[in-house]
Amino acid sequence: EPEVTQTPSHQVTQMGQEVILRCVPISNHLYFYWYRQILGQKVEFLVSFYNNEISEKSEIFDDQFSVERPDGSNFTLKIRSTKLEDSAMYFCASSRRDRNYEQYFGPGTRLTVT
Amino acid sequence: SQKIEQNSEALNIQEGKTATLTCNYTNYSPAYLQWYRQDPGRGPVFLLLIRENEKEKRKERLKVTFDTTLKQSLFHITASQPADSATYLCALGAGNMLTFGGGTRLMVKP
Repeated sequence: EPEVTQTPSHQVTQMGQEVILRCVPISNHLYFYWYRQILGQKVEFLVSFYNNEISEKSEIFDDQFSVERPDGSNFTLKIRSTKLEDSAMYFCASSRRDRNYEQYFGPGTRLTVT
Repeated sequence: SQKIEQNSEALNIQEGKTATLTCNYTNYSPAYLQWYRQDPGRGPVFLLLIRENEKEKRKERLKVTFDTTLKQSLFHITASQPADSATYLCALGAGNMLTFGGGTRLMVKP
Protein backbone atom coordinates (compact mmCIF):
# COMPACT_ATOMS: atom_id res chain seq x y z
CA GLU A 1 0.00 0.00 0.00
CA PRO A 2 1.41 3.42 -0.95
CA GLU A 3 2.68 5.56 1.92
CA VAL A 4 3.86 9.09 2.53
CA THR A 5 7.59 9.09 3.24
CA GLN A 6 9.64 11.73 5.02
CA THR A 7 13.35 12.40 5.34
CA PRO A 8 15.28 12.68 7.51
CA SER A 9 13.67 10.87 10.41
CA HIS A 10 15.61 13.04 12.85
CA GLN A 11 17.29 16.38 12.24
CA VAL A 12 19.41 18.23 14.77
CA THR A 13 20.30 21.83 14.01
CA GLN A 14 21.61 24.89 15.77
CA MET A 15 19.45 27.90 16.46
CA GLY A 16 19.50 30.32 13.56
CA GLN A 17 20.27 27.69 10.94
CA GLU A 18 18.05 26.88 7.98
CA VAL A 19 16.51 23.45 7.69
CA ILE A 20 14.65 21.72 4.89
CA LEU A 21 12.34 18.85 5.67
CA ARG A 22 11.46 16.58 2.79
CA CYS A 23 8.36 14.59 1.98
CA VAL A 24 7.30 12.32 -0.84
CA PRO A 25 3.49 12.27 -0.91
CA ILE A 26 1.46 9.36 -2.26
CA SER A 27 1.86 9.47 -6.03
CA ASN A 28 -1.73 10.14 -7.16
CA HIS A 29 -2.47 12.65 -4.40
CA LEU A 30 -2.89 16.30 -5.27
CA TYR A 31 -3.27 17.99 -1.86
CA PHE A 32 -0.30 18.31 0.44
CA TYR A 33 0.03 19.45 4.03
CA TRP A 34 2.47 20.10 6.83
CA TYR A 35 1.61 19.72 10.51
CA ARG A 36 3.74 19.86 13.60
CA GLN A 37 3.44 18.28 17.04
CA ILE A 38 5.45 19.64 19.93
CA LEU A 39 6.24 16.85 22.39
CA GLY A 40 3.19 16.04 24.48
CA GLN A 41 0.99 18.55 22.69
CA LYS A 42 -1.64 18.55 19.96
CA VAL A 43 -1.04 18.09 16.28
CA GLU A 44 -1.14 21.59 14.74
CA PHE A 45 -1.89 22.54 11.16
CA LEU A 46 0.75 24.60 9.39
CA VAL A 47 -0.11 24.80 5.71
CA SER A 48 -1.97 23.17 2.83
CA PHE A 49 -0.80 23.22 -0.78
CA TYR A 50 -2.69 22.54 -3.98
CA ASN A 51 -2.06 23.27 -7.62
CA ASN A 52 1.39 24.65 -6.85
CA GLU A 53 0.25 27.23 -4.37
CA ILE A 54 -0.60 27.59 -0.72
CA SER A 55 -4.35 27.17 -0.19
CA GLU A 56 -4.51 27.68 3.57
CA LYS A 57 -2.05 28.46 6.33
CA SER A 58 -2.19 28.92 10.08
CA GLU A 59 -0.81 31.69 12.25
CA ILE A 60 2.17 29.48 13.04
CA PHE A 61 3.20 29.54 9.38
CA ASP A 62 4.91 32.93 9.40
CA ASP A 63 7.60 34.39 7.14
CA GLN A 64 10.17 31.99 8.55
CA PHE A 65 8.40 29.09 6.88
CA SER A 66 8.04 28.26 3.20
CA VAL A 67 6.92 25.27 1.18
CA GLU A 68 7.82 24.10 -2.26
CA ARG A 69 7.11 21.31 -4.68
CA PRO A 70 10.38 21.39 -6.60
CA ASP A 71 9.54 18.45 -8.87
CA GLY A 72 6.74 15.99 -9.49
CA SER A 73 7.36 13.95 -6.36
CA ASN A 74 8.86 15.96 -3.50
CA PHE A 75 7.20 18.43 -1.16
CA THR A 76 9.45 20.42 1.17
CA LEU A 77 9.12 22.59 4.25
CA LYS A 78 11.85 25.15 4.84
CA ILE A 79 12.45 26.95 8.12
CA ARG A 80 14.78 29.87 7.42
CA SER A 81 16.19 30.66 10.84
CA THR A 82 15.30 28.03 13.40
CA LYS A 83 14.38 28.86 16.98
CA LEU A 84 14.40 26.64 20.02
CA GLU A 85 10.59 26.57 19.97
CA ASP A 86 10.62 25.06 16.47
CA SER A 87 11.69 21.77 18.05
CA ALA A 88 8.85 19.38 17.27
CA MET A 89 7.78 16.44 15.16
CA TYR A 90 6.84 17.64 11.67
CA PHE A 91 4.35 15.57 9.73
CA CYS A 92 3.68 15.73 6.03
CA ALA A 93 0.30 14.55 4.76
CA SER A 94 -1.39 14.18 1.40
CA SER A 95 -4.87 13.50 0.08
CA ARG A 96 -6.61 12.55 -3.13
CA ARG A 97 -8.54 14.94 -5.31
CA ASP A 98 -11.81 13.04 -4.92
CA ARG A 99 -11.38 12.43 -1.17
CA ASN A 100 -9.39 15.48 -0.29
CA TYR A 101 -10.53 15.55 3.33
CA GLU A 102 -8.99 12.12 4.10
CA GLN A 103 -5.40 12.93 4.89
CA TYR A 104 -2.64 10.34 4.95
CA PHE A 105 0.26 11.20 7.20
CA GLY A 106 3.92 10.35 6.94
CA PRO A 107 6.01 9.01 9.83
CA GLY A 108 7.33 12.46 10.69
CA THR A 109 10.67 14.19 11.05
CA ARG A 110 11.79 14.97 14.56
CA LEU A 111 13.46 18.37 14.52
CA THR A 112 15.66 19.27 17.47
CA VAL A 113 16.96 22.83 17.65
CA THR A 114 19.84 23.36 20.08
CA SER B 1 -11.75 30.84 20.63
CA GLN B 2 -12.18 27.36 19.16
CA LYS B 3 -11.85 24.56 21.64
CA ILE B 4 -11.79 20.79 21.14
CA GLU B 5 -11.92 18.61 24.21
CA GLN B 6 -11.05 14.97 24.49
CA ASN B 7 -10.66 13.15 27.75
CA SER B 8 -6.99 13.54 28.60
CA GLU B 9 -7.14 10.65 31.04
CA ALA B 10 -6.40 7.22 29.67
CA LEU B 11 -9.33 4.89 29.09
CA ASN B 12 -8.67 1.38 30.35
CA ILE B 13 -10.98 -1.40 29.22
CA GLN B 14 -11.02 -5.16 29.07
CA GLU B 15 -10.53 -7.02 25.82
CA GLY B 16 -13.82 -7.77 24.10
CA LYS B 17 -15.63 -4.74 25.55
CA THR B 18 -16.72 -1.67 23.64
CA ALA B 19 -14.57 1.42 23.99
CA THR B 20 -16.33 4.77 23.72
CA LEU B 21 -14.32 7.96 23.28
CA THR B 22 -15.76 11.46 23.36
CA CYS B 23 -14.93 14.61 21.45
CA ASN B 24 -16.61 17.88 22.42
CA TYR B 25 -16.08 21.21 20.73
CA THR B 26 -17.08 24.83 21.15
CA ASN B 27 -17.00 27.98 19.01
CA TYR B 28 -16.69 25.92 15.86
CA SER B 29 -18.93 24.83 13.01
CA PRO B 30 -17.00 22.12 11.24
CA ALA B 31 -17.99 20.86 7.81
CA TYR B 32 -16.76 17.42 8.85
CA LEU B 33 -15.12 15.56 11.69
CA GLN B 34 -12.48 12.86 11.55
CA TRP B 35 -10.97 10.31 13.89
CA TYR B 36 -7.33 9.29 13.71
CA ARG B 37 -5.22 6.76 15.52
CA GLN B 38 -1.72 7.71 16.67
CA ASP B 39 0.87 5.33 18.05
CA PRO B 40 3.88 6.68 20.00
CA GLY B 41 6.41 8.40 17.71
CA ARG B 42 4.26 7.82 14.63
CA GLY B 43 2.06 9.92 12.39
CA PRO B 44 -1.74 9.93 12.74
CA VAL B 45 -3.57 7.26 10.78
CA PHE B 46 -6.94 8.16 9.23
CA LEU B 47 -9.83 6.03 10.48
CA LEU B 48 -13.20 7.62 9.72
CA LEU B 49 -14.72 10.83 8.40
CA ILE B 50 -18.26 12.00 9.12
CA ARG B 51 -19.83 15.07 7.57
CA GLU B 52 -22.00 17.65 9.30
CA ASN B 53 -25.17 16.31 7.67
CA GLU B 54 -24.47 12.71 8.76
CA LYS B 55 -25.45 11.24 12.11
CA GLU B 56 -23.53 7.99 12.12
CA LYS B 57 -20.79 6.20 10.18
CA ARG B 58 -19.52 2.65 10.53
CA LYS B 59 -16.44 0.82 9.35
CA GLU B 60 -15.86 -2.73 10.50
CA ARG B 61 -15.60 -2.57 14.33
CA LEU B 62 -15.61 1.23 14.36
CA LYS B 63 -18.60 3.53 14.70
CA VAL B 64 -18.69 7.30 14.93
CA THR B 65 -21.62 9.58 15.70
CA PHE B 66 -21.80 13.30 15.15
CA ASP B 67 -24.28 15.58 16.92
CA THR B 68 -23.90 19.16 15.69
CA THR B 69 -26.50 20.39 18.19
CA LEU B 70 -24.62 18.98 21.18
CA LYS B 71 -21.32 19.73 19.41
CA GLN B 72 -20.14 16.26 20.19
CA SER B 73 -18.82 13.16 18.48
CA LEU B 74 -18.63 9.69 19.97
CA PHE B 75 -16.19 7.09 18.68
CA HIS B 76 -16.85 3.44 19.45
CA ILE B 77 -14.62 0.41 19.02
CA THR B 78 -16.56 -2.81 19.50
CA ALA B 79 -14.98 -6.13 20.48
CA SER B 80 -11.83 -4.26 21.44
CA GLN B 81 -8.44 -5.96 21.19
CA PRO B 82 -5.07 -5.21 22.81
CA ALA B 83 -3.90 -4.14 19.33
CA ASP B 84 -6.41 -1.28 19.52
CA SER B 85 -4.33 0.30 22.29
CA ALA B 86 -3.24 3.71 21.01
CA THR B 87 -4.09 7.40 21.25
CA TYR B 88 -7.19 8.41 19.31
CA LEU B 89 -7.43 11.91 17.93
CA CYS B 90 -10.51 13.82 16.98
CA ALA B 91 -10.06 16.42 14.23
CA LEU B 92 -12.49 19.04 13.02
CA GLY B 93 -12.35 20.14 9.42
CA ALA B 94 -13.13 23.28 7.49
CA GLY B 95 -11.80 23.36 3.95
CA ASN B 96 -8.66 21.26 4.02
CA MET B 97 -7.51 22.52 7.39
CA LEU B 98 -7.78 20.13 10.33
CA THR B 99 -7.89 21.21 13.96
CA PHE B 100 -6.96 18.38 16.28
CA GLY B 101 -7.95 17.61 19.81
CA GLY B 102 -5.40 16.48 22.34
CA GLY B 103 -6.36 12.82 22.00
CA THR B 104 -7.44 10.10 24.39
CA ARG B 105 -5.16 7.19 25.17
CA LEU B 106 -6.93 3.84 25.04
CA MET B 107 -5.48 0.81 26.81
CA VAL B 108 -7.12 -2.54 26.11
CA LYS B 109 -6.11 -5.20 28.59
CA PRO B 110 -6.16 -8.90 27.70
